[in-house]
Amino acid sequence: AQSVSQHNHHVILSEAASLELGCNYSYGGTVNLFWYVQYPGQHLQLLLKYFSGDPLVKGIKGFEAEFIKSKFSFNLRKPSVQWSDTAEYFCAVNPRTMNTGFQKLVFGTGTRLLVSP
Amino acid sequence: NAGVTQTPKFQVLKTGQSMTLQCAQDMNHNSMYWYRQDPGMGLRLIYYSASEGTTDKGEVPNGYNVSRLNKREFSLRLESAAPSQTSVYFCASSEYRGLNQPQHFGDGTRLSIL
Repeated sequence: AQSVSQHNHHVILSEAASLELGCNYSYGGTVNLFWYVQYPGQHLQLLLKYFSGDPLVKGIKGFEAEFIKSKFSFNLRKPSVQWSDTAEYFCAVNPRTMNTGFQKLVFGTGTRLLVSP
Repeated sequence: NAGVTQTPKFQVLKTGQSMTLQCAQDMNHNSMYWYRQDPGMGLRLIYYSASEGTTDKGEVPNGYNVSRLNKREFSLRLESAAPSQTSVYFCASSEYRGLNQPQHFGDGTRLSIL
């Protein structure tokens, strides 16, 4: 079965520090990749997505992620975090299936980020 | 902009009670999903409906049933609640023929089973 691993369960950073959250997946075929963010008490929101083309994708709020196919990875980065980035971050993978448009996501276990002012 | 609306937001049940969680979306999406979110386990798919009139099991369907009432509404039912079903439940929707389209999530239902 496909799986998504987020090895960092909790990350604590000071404001202005750089962030990198790891995401690895196990599916060997073509995939669509997502990062979602869940701010305290809120629902999940899309941060960025990768489908094809440039493996470095940029999302909202200064976040970016790099797809490295050979490493089955899609790590999330931000050069300088802010207190408002405190949230839980989820990596998700949609293994593409031929002849279907249906999107079925497999989520990682999430990484809780705490940014101290 | 309502998006995906879930009711109720909170609920406490006793073991063995039944309950239906409601979900409605106003984005004319074809596909809808129910997830549960548990600490350290991320989101796990319970059931999904790829399009109106179809439903399928996800990763953790046991103890749940769903109904795709119409294109807008997708309900999740617990027939006989168990403490293991204490969780936060999220409904989501997306375009069907849209691999490039993300899923849109509701605010969640926090359910406690005593």
